[in-house]
Amino acid sequence: DTGVSQDPRHKITKRGQNVTFRCDPISEHNRLYWYRQTLGQGPEFLTYFQNEAQLEKSRLLSDRFSAERPKGSFSTLEIQRTEQGDSAMYLCASSLDGGIRETQYFGPGTRLTVL
Amino acid sequence: AQTVTQSQPEMSVQEAETVTLSCTYDTSESDYYLFWYKQPPSRQMILVIRQEAYKQQNATENRFSVNFQKAAKSFSLKISDSQLGDAAMYFCAYRDAGNMLTFGGGTRLMVKP
Repeated sequence: DTGVSQDPRHKITKRGQNVTFRCDPISEHNRLYWYRQTLGQGPEFLTYFQNEAQLEKSRLLSDRFSAERPKGSFSTLEIQRTEQGDSAMYLCASSLDGGIRETQYFGPGTRLTVL
Repeated sequence: AQTVTQSQPEMSVQEAETVTLSCTYDTSESDYYLFWYKQPPSRQMILVIRQEAYKQQNATENRFSVNFQKAAKSFSLKISDSQLGDAAMYFCAYRDAGNMLTFGGGTRLMVKP
């Protein structure tokens, strides 16, 4: 069990550029979640997948954000036309669907800085 | 909507002593889970302990235990025999059938040698 991995760990970009992050979940986990964490705050839910289907999206996920999980394995989160307010830590978590008993395991996060 | 509140932005404890971190939540659901996650500086979030709402017995994991008061909607974390490695941000989180976790704002725990 290698845990949840995320790439890159850090990303610095200029305002207006597009960025893409990748998350590799724990291999047998069928659920994958994206959260955003700003400095000094708790993580906030963005979206989640069950296998390849995106089942829920937060109002935080504006039209500039898109997430995919092709083939139900790794996931990508793309932010288009980045803004300074997008600067945050983007966390990925995965779980094995166990109803209300499931536990989410987090990756190390991708820290995005928009200049 | 469910909310989770951690009223202590920072706490400090002497090494080997005991500290309690507070968490309250608001929900109209009867079946849910509560979690405490630890986030060390520049490291990933890890699960410390979890509690099922329908279980009256408080969860324990080695030096970590919770005091779950369902009627009061309170879920505090007690760390016994504090160690330097316990220094981190601690987040209380709630989950019901809605799948996603709702987190509190966190408590920064400092451990003094």
